[in-house]
Amino acid sequence: AQSVTQLGSHVSVSEGALVLLRCNYSSSVPPYLFWYVQYPNQGLQLLLKYTSAATLVKGINGFEAEFKKSETSFHLTKPSAHMSDAAEYFCAVSTSGYSSASKIIFGSGTRLSIRP
Amino acid sequence: EAGVVQSPRYKIIEKKQPVAFWCNPISGHNTLYWYLQNLGQGPELLIRYENEEAVDDSQLPKDRFSAERLKGVDSTLKIQPAELGDSAVYLCASSPHSGSGADTQYFGPGTRLTVL
Repeated sequence: AQSVTQLGSHVSVSEGALVLLRCNYSSSVPPYLFWYVQYPNQGLQLLLKYTSAATLVKGINGFEAEFKKSETSFHLTKPSAHMSDAAEYFCAVSTSGYSSASKIIFGSGTRLSIRP
Repeated sequence: EAGVVQSPRYKIIEKKQPVAFWCNPISGHNTLYWYLQNLGQGPELLIRYENEEAVDDSQLPKDRFSAERLKGVDSTLKIQPAELGDSAVYLCASSPHSGSGADTQYFGPGTRLTVL
């Protein structure tokens, strides 16, 4: 069975500071991993995804994440936070390959606040 | 390209009343998902369609929830009768391919249901 754990339900950083949102996964098969962002009263939007190519994945809005198999982690980072980054961030894991049983499991989310 | 469209955006009903949500996916997307998102939580899959076929409805409470995707395009999710615990955001998503664990899902803005 797959699962994903996001450490910290709320993270607050100052504008211009490093953003680090933590995600650990559990999967019995090679996973696909995703980070989605959700702004208030909106649906989720893909930031980036890992699909077994490069372990360092670059996404939109200056975000990136590194897949570390030994640590079963896929932490999301951004060097310099902007006020517009304030949102809810969800890490997700999915089984690899084509299968009717393939499904995506979302973490419980981390709310990112940016201090002026 | 138009995104995933959902209606209504907000719905307030009294318990024991029926309610229906509608979703129009991105044109050409074969796979359609309905998710339930409780406050402060990540989305949880209710049902997944590949074209007209419901390939995963294991988490759908079938005693009160039903869904359909006629002609493999639009979809409707119904609750009858609604209970207080059904208050949540109902998200619809679509993806272009069938059964791929690597596919990006494109989310609609959701329907916020309040049951009084």
